[in-house]
Amino acid sequence: SQKIEQNSEALNIQEGKTATLTCNYTNYSPAYLQWYRQDPGRGPVFLLLIRENEKEKRKERLKVTFDTTLKQSLFHITASQPADSATYLCALLTGGGNKLTFGTGTQLKVEL
Amino acid sequence: ETGVTQTPRHLVMGMTNKKSLKCEQHLGHNAMYWYKQSAKKPLELMFVYNFKEQTENNSVPSRFSPECPNSSHLFLHLHTLQPEDSALYLCASRESGGSGNTIYFGEGSWLTVV
Repeated sequence: SQKIEQNSEALNIQEGKTATLTCNYTNYSPAYLQWYRQDPGRGPVFLLLIRENEKEKRKERLKVTFDTTLKQSLFHITASQPADSATYLCALLTGGGNKLTFGTGTQLKVEL
Repeated sequence: ETGVTQTPRHLVMGMTNKKSLKCEQHLGHNAMYWYKQSAKKPLELMFVYNFKEQTENNSVPSRFSPECPNSSHLFLHLHTLQPEDSALYLCASRESGGSGNTIYFGEGSWLTVV
């Protein structure tokens, strides 16, 4: 069956360190993978998109990698800040581009 | 402000009530979505509309009835719901036709069924 798996356990890190979140998927062949941020009680907000032919994408303190052989994406936040505390969701675009299917998300807490 | 507005933000309804959730997008998109988010579960896609036509119904019970009168508005009509339907209901929109196009979410409607 198709699955998108993210670490369900919360990730606690110290301010200034790099946070690394993992997204693994099975039985998908996505052309695109996206990462979203969700704050409590709010809708998800788009952060980054990476295409299947891209190995890495960067945006300010964010970096995403995409390994279609391992079927894995890594999401990095460098120089993390308490304001980065949120749940981060990965999502795959499937169904001919109409369906965005999400993982369960990983909660990140950045401590002072 | 994402350009996708949902009302009401909070709704409490009894199991015999009929209510509706409303979504409006100001982005000129032509694809709209309803997602359900329950605690400890991934976002579940419910319905997809492209150019006002329903293109996806993800085996949603008939007590949820979507309506898309035009590309800017999407409704979710609710009737005879169950307590397990209590969740955050998220509307989203996207520009159709490009697989890489970003999806924009509203802030959601918190639904409690009592």
